[in-house]
Amino acid sequence: DAKTTQPTSMDCAEGRAANLPCNHSTISGNEYVYWYRQIHSQGPQYIIHGLKNNETNEMASLIITEDRKSSTLILPHATLRDTAVYYCIALVSGNTGKLIFGQGTTLQVKP
Amino acid sequence: DARVTQTPRHKVTEMGQEVTMRCQPILGHNTVFWYRQTMMQGLELLAYFRNRAPLDDSGMPKDRFSAEMPDATLATLKIQPSEPRDSAVYFCASGSGVNYGYTFGSGTRLTVV
Repeated sequence: DAKTTQPTSMDCAEGRAANLPCNHSTISGNEYVYWYRQIHSQGPQYIIHGLKNNETNEMASLIITEDRKSSTLILPHATLRDTAVYYCIALVSGNTGKLIFGQGTTLQVKP
Repeated sequence: DARVTQTPRHKVTEMGQEVTMRCQPILGHNTVFWYRQTMMQGLELLAYFRNRAPLDDSGMPKDRFSAEMPDATLATLKIQPSEPRDSAVYFCASGSGVNYGYTFGSGTRLTVV
């Protein structure tokens, strides 16, 4: 599975959009990009995933560049409850589906 | 919403004692994972099962850790004997495949003194 690189930490003002970048320059054609987050003291939570098209759900939007070497998770209107560690994972979809977590980005949403 | 249930939530034990952590996956989910989280190492994959069969336990110290799924509603992680370095939060997760997202439990916080 391709290695992903994320900034260690980011801040965002409450009510503003939070844009979390992820680099995956060695991603292969059949690897998806998955995002999970972990709020303090809780288990990780699935957010969204995509292959090459932009994706949106009730939690967030995922923008993947055309060359698929990077992506951005967008929380359109961040709230204090979005303060968490966000993990970007590149993984081949299929029967294995073995999630390996890196260090992630700590997002601090400030009032 | 359906939940992954882990018991106990907290466990304090003395070094050398056996520890058993339990996980009830969401009904119908065929994949179960065990993770361990510490400040130093982050989230580490210990083992995972599909349709109750172990697929990979390469992340688990074999001499003291064991993971089983006696039936589809129960997964267990045992440590015998426990050591202070095993102190961590242990998470269980279940799912029907990576494209549906995996659901994590609230974790078992283990302290070995």
